[in-house]
Amino acid sequence: GAVVSQHPSWVICKSGTSVKIECRSLDFQATTMFWYRQFPKQSLMLMATSNEGSKATYEQGVEKDKFLINHASLTLSTLTVTSAHPEDSSFYICSAIRGTGLQETQYFGPGTRLLVL
Amino acid sequence: AQSVTQLDSQVPVFEEAPVELRCNYSSSVSVYLFWYVQYPNQGLQLLLKYLSGSTLVKGINGFEAEFNKSQTSFHLRKPSVHISDTAEYFCAVSDPRGEQLIFGAGTRLAVHP
Repeated sequence: GAVVSQHPSWVICKSGTSVKIECRSLDFQATTMFWYRQFPKQSLMLMATSNEGSKATYEQGVEKDKFLINHASLTLSTLTVTSAHPEDSSFYICSAIRGTGLQETQYFGPGTRLLVL
Repeated sequence: AQSVTQLDSQVPVFEEAPVELRCNYSSSVSVYLFWYVQYPNQGLQLLLKYLSGSTLVKGINGFEAEFNKSQTSFHLRKPSVHISDTAEYFCAVSDPRGEQLIFGAGTRLAVHP
């Protein structure tokens, strides 16, 4: 079956540094990928929609300059948390869309846990 | 390790009929449970969640789900569906520390007139 990977799975960084998280669709091309974050006891929060070859569409309240998204190829989207602070500590998960229309299927990555000290 | 199984990949139903989307999970620890809906070309939206307390959880758009610990199930129900409910529905389980979020494969609900 289709697989979406995320790297790294776990990252600890110092406050003020930037962290890049990769989301890859391993055996299919994904025009669209989504980035989410989750806090404990909370549901997923959609951060942005990443479209290959164009600028990401950010949800209201998500800082574009802080969470940089690049979808440079049909198999890779990256999320860069710039100047990370402890409040950015969270679980980040991506998903990739395979197919279109009625054949559209979403596959989720395993997530990346970010801890900012 | 946790896992989530959505038993039906597709559920066709007529408008105004009741529907149940099944979700079973396995976990060695207590869990939080979620149902999400995704409309075409959009991100996931939370329908409802179970963290603790009453096992019957009511969500948006008239959906509800019941947590059954003995059967390790969290089935989603709606007594009367609308055309607009046509979407893909995902069940997910999270451990209480939020260390992991596991999704089911999704169930595509198709409501026909």
